Amino acid sequence: ETGVTQSPTHLIKTRGQQVTLRCSSQSGHNTVSWYQQALGQGPQFIFQYYREEENGRGNFPPRFSGLQFPNYSSELNVNALELDDSALYLCASSLVGVQDSPLHFGNGTRLTVT
Amino acid sequence: AQSVAQPEDQVNVAEGNPLTVKCTYSVSGNPYLFWYVQYPNRGLQFLLKYITGDNLVKGSYGFEAEFNKSQTSFHLKKPSALVSDSALYFCAVRVNRDDKIIFGKGTRLHILP
Repeated sequence: ETGVTQSPTHLIKTRGQQVTLRCSSQSGHNTVSWYQQALGQGPQFIFQYYREEENGRGNFPPRFSGLQFPNYSSELNVNALELDDSALYLCASSLVGVQDSPLHFGNGTRLTVT
Repeated sequence: AQSVAQPEDQVNVAEGNPLTVKCTYSVSGNPYLFWYVQYPNRGLQFLLKYITGDNLVKGSYGFEAEFNKSQTSFHLKKPSALVSDSALYFCAVRVNRDDKIIFGKGTRLHILP
């Protein structure tokens, strides 16, 4: 059983640029969620994907977008980067239809916007 | 709207002593409750969950948590703390089966040798 893997581990971007973060779900999981964790804060829910469609979104602007692929891997795209986007971005997979399915997290991508 | 509160930013406990990390929740339905732990520069690791049944649930690494519906609390406990338990702990709640999971702001646990 392979766990959740994220790439890259670290990334530095300039304000106004665009970034794509990638996630490979744990085998057997069909749902992926993305979270933003600012320094000293708890993870904030960005959105969730199931069957390649967004099926839940937190309080994030449209410049945060995502994709889920048939193999359940996922991307998080952020356009027009702002300094406040600097954070640890966490991907988590789970199994919809199993009511007590916990999230399984990757180690995250640390994004720094300068 | 559902929410989770962790009232303590930091908890200090001497090694070998019992520990408690507090969590309260606010939801409009029956909660699914979780505890996660985060080590430096790592993602979150699942510790335990409460869905239904016994109010005391046991999880990984000797941790347990007590669900109290009347107090809307789900405190994390361990009878005897280890230095290696030092980490950041997050309480989380989900209302519906397919709903998003909402996290508290976290409590940093320091176990003193």
